[in-house]
Amino acid sequence: EPEVTQTPSHQVTQMGQEVILRCVPISNHLYFYWYRQILGQKVEFLVSFYNNEISEKSEIFDDQFSVERPDGSNFTLKIRSTKLEDSAMYFCASGSLQETQYFGPGTRLLVL
Amino acid sequence: AQRVTQPEKLLSVFKGAPVELKCNYSYSGSPELFWYVQYSRQRLQLLLRHISRESIKGFTADLNKGETSFHLKKPFAQEEDSAMYYCALNGAGSYQLTFGKGTKLSVIP
Repeated sequence: EPEVTQTPSHQVTQMGQEVILRCVPISNHLYFYWYRQILGQKVEFLVSFYNNEISEKSEIFDDQFSVERPDGSNFTLKIRSTKLEDSAMYFCASGSLQETQYFGPGTRLLVL
Repeated sequence: AQRVTQPEKLLSVFKGAPVELKCNYSYSGSPELFWYVQYSRQRLQLLLRHISRESIKGFTADLNKGETSFHLKKPFAQEEDSAMYYCALNGAGSYQLTFGKGTKLSVIP
């Protein structure tokens, strides 16, 4: 059964550095999402992407964040200048329909 | 604004006992409700959607619009049901899922 994959599984970075989190969605899916979960808190929506553009974003998704689908398979989340509070688990998800979302295993980001 | 509340952080039941994981939501329109499960060290997996009205792994959930609830139930808990369970809501015309804080289910052998 096809699954969403994410790399790396863990990332440690210094405050102020740029990070790129990568995701390979399920191949025939059209909708792509990023969520994050700060330790001990709920899973929070960041952004959705459809038809090569952002379709919806939350207040968390400020100018420090960007998403890209550079080719037919990858979907990336970039954080330009990381802050301590960006430390979290970041989940990518994809779906063939707007409602059903299938999640990747997550990337644990630690900002020092 | 949409909100999902899971009042129990942790629920412990004995094997074979009935399970009910509570979920209440706040949304002005007609929502889509989901239950996701996360087993230890694994990804979030879709368990069921209210719109499909199916039973997965013996779990069922009924949307009660009057009580704005979508509680997850199973008549007889199994040890392998031990996991983190998240209730989530998708509002009409929206792309985002709003999650509850999750309930950790522990099934005692």
